Amino acid sequence: SQWGEENLQALSIQEGEDVTMNCSYKTYTTVVHWYRQDSGRGPALIILIRSNEREKRSGRLRATLDTSSQSSSLSITAAQCEDTAVYFCATDPQGGRALIFGTGTTVSVSP
Amino acid sequence: ETAVFQTPNYHVTQVGNEVSFNCKQTLGHDTMYWYKQDSKKLLKIMFSYNNKQLIVNETVPRRFSPQSSDKAHLNLRIKSVEPEDSAVYLCASSSGTGNERLFFGHGTKLSVL
Repeated sequence: SQWGEENLQALSIQEGEDVTMNCSYKTYTTVVHWYRQDSGRGPALIILIRSNEREKRSGRLRATLDTSSQSSSLSITAAQCEDTAVYFCATDPQGGRALIFGTGTTVSVSP
Repeated sequence: ETAVFQTPNYHVTQVGNEVSFNCKQTLGHDTMYWYKQDSKKLLKIMFSYNNKQLIVNETVPRRFSPQSSDKAHLNLRIKSVEPEDSAVYLCASSSGTGNERLFFGHGTKLSVL
């Protein structure tokens, strides 16, 4: 899982498998962002989940948010090679200043 | 489609030199940011500007200074680079502050020899 860990987590799966990555955050937040970063590019938002949404779906992506445990998860169903990327969660713990990113999870999908 | 443009893509320099990176956004956003991403992919906020005013200045060495001429441009100057400055510097923009969606540029990779 991300946050509070210095080492970047890496997950290797095969095409067609499902994968879930976790994110825990320290300060209460009303929104958790999930970004993906492809090699040589900046991160791009893929899903945003708010505190009044326990679950949010976008295509093969599914995000959950549990404000009581201050954690969020991102799942990819039936992963494809093009899902290979680094995935970050992000929150705004200081309220209105800047997004703070988790340590990231590298997902590698092989044929 | 890219709407946050960073130049240069890469820069190699020696310890002690001065470098400047440019960033421009065409989204009409009010807020711009500089993030530093190290070799372990850790993303750290450095600065953010809202309508040309500095609103976030994290603990970065004084040799780093942001420069904003208008709300569409936010440059980063490093006065005397050190080896630990080797990283990818990512510029981003958003329509507001805090929990707003960020749009990133492709980054500038700095290598300090």
